[in-house]
Order: sequence, then structure tokens, then C-alpha cells
Amino acid sequence: QVQLVQSGAEVKKPGSSVKVSCKASGGTFSSYAISWVRQAPGQGLEWMGGIIPMFGTANYAQKFQGRVTITTDESSSTAYMELSSLRSEDTAVYYCARAHDNGYRDFDYWGLGTLVTVSS
Amino acid sequence: DIQMTQSPSSLSASVGDRVTITCRASQSISTYLNWYQQKPGKAPKLLIYAASSLQSGVPSRFSGSASGTDFTLTISSVQPEDFATYYCQQSFSIRDTFGQGTKLEIK
Repeated sequence: QVQLVQSGAEVKKPGSSVKVSCKASGGTFSSYAISWVRQAPGQGLEWMGGIIPMFGTANYAQKFQGRVTITTDESSSTAYMELSSLRSEDTAVYYCARAHDNGYRDFDYWGLGTLVTVSS
Repeated sequence: DIQMTQSPSSLSASVGDRVTITCRASQSISTYLNWYQQKPGKAPKLLIYAASSLQSGVPSRFSGSASGTDFTLTISSVQPEDFATYYCQQSFSIRDTFGQGTKLEIK
């Protein structure tokens, strides 16, 4: 059974950075795309970016381009999402999600989410 | 980025009702359209992928269809556990986008 285990909640100051991890178990890590999706309080889902570990190149939503970096460590089957220049509007639950291997990049496994609070 | 316009933003239904939620893409996305259900405080759950394929373990009362750039999620007979928020997601482009969500509430 595939599991995505995310790092714990974070409280950050405006202007700082946060790095959230997502450790995969129970499946082959390298060939499945991993995406990061965030959800601000009371708001909808927002795709931030994704990566296929075996290729290593990430794609990002235009909104986050230049501020987000998604990486992977195949040796530990872990994906990371780093968001810089944090502002209060970045307060949200951040999810990692693994894409189905059917070519449609639907997300069949999700982490439980990591709450990032940005506050002075 | 491809825009996904989901409607309605909310709807009320009674147990046993047939419910339809629509998502319209700003350009052609073939059948690269997926549907998710999310309950408060929980991660989203995949219901439908490739516009009309039912994810394993999802009840058959859920179905999806496509017509051009219009996509529909139908619940044939709403059950108490179906009251939640539903999202569409396009995965045609290298940058995915989600619809704004539809909150299904009890009438």
C-alpha cells in the first residue's frame, strides 16, 4: 500500500522560506510524478508544481514561478517543496500527491497535508 | 494556463437525488479531466480519471462524461456520505489546474 508521509506543521515569519517533505513508501518512487497542491483556509485546491523523480525536471504554476522549488531524493524516496519569500497569503495546507501511472496524471495517493502558517 | 470553470459553486440536494456538476475548460483538453471529492479536514479523494473512468473502490453511483470542453460529474442517487466538496482537475497541459470547487450540501 502506497503511503505519502509529510513533515509536520510549520510557523514562519513573512519573508522567510519553508521546506516541506513528503516521504513515499510502498511503491516505486522514481517513475511516478509527484505534485504539490495547496489549500488556503476555506479556499479551493491550487496546483503548485510537479516532478517525475527519474527525470528530475520540475514544472511550476506560473503564479509560483521563481518562488517555489520542487526536488526529490531518490535514495530516501522523498520529495520536497520549498517556498520562499513567504507572505501571509501563503498560509495554507500543503499536500503532496502521487500521479497514477496511466498517463492521465490523476492523483490517486495523497499525503495528509502540512499546515504552514505565515505570521509575524 | 488552462482555466477550468466549475459550476455551480454550491448546491443543495436530498438523499436519493440525482446531482450533476459541470466543469468547462478554456481550451481543448481531450479527456485529461479528473474529479475529486474532499471532506472537511481531509485530503482529496480521486473519484473519476480520464473524464469517465471510475477509480477502483469508488461506488458506481458516481460517473463522468465529456462533450468537447464540457465535463460532467453525476451522482445518480446521493447518499449521506456524498455531502462534500467536489473538484475537477485538468492534466492536459504540463501545468495542471483545478476548478473552483462545488460544495454539495444537504437540503
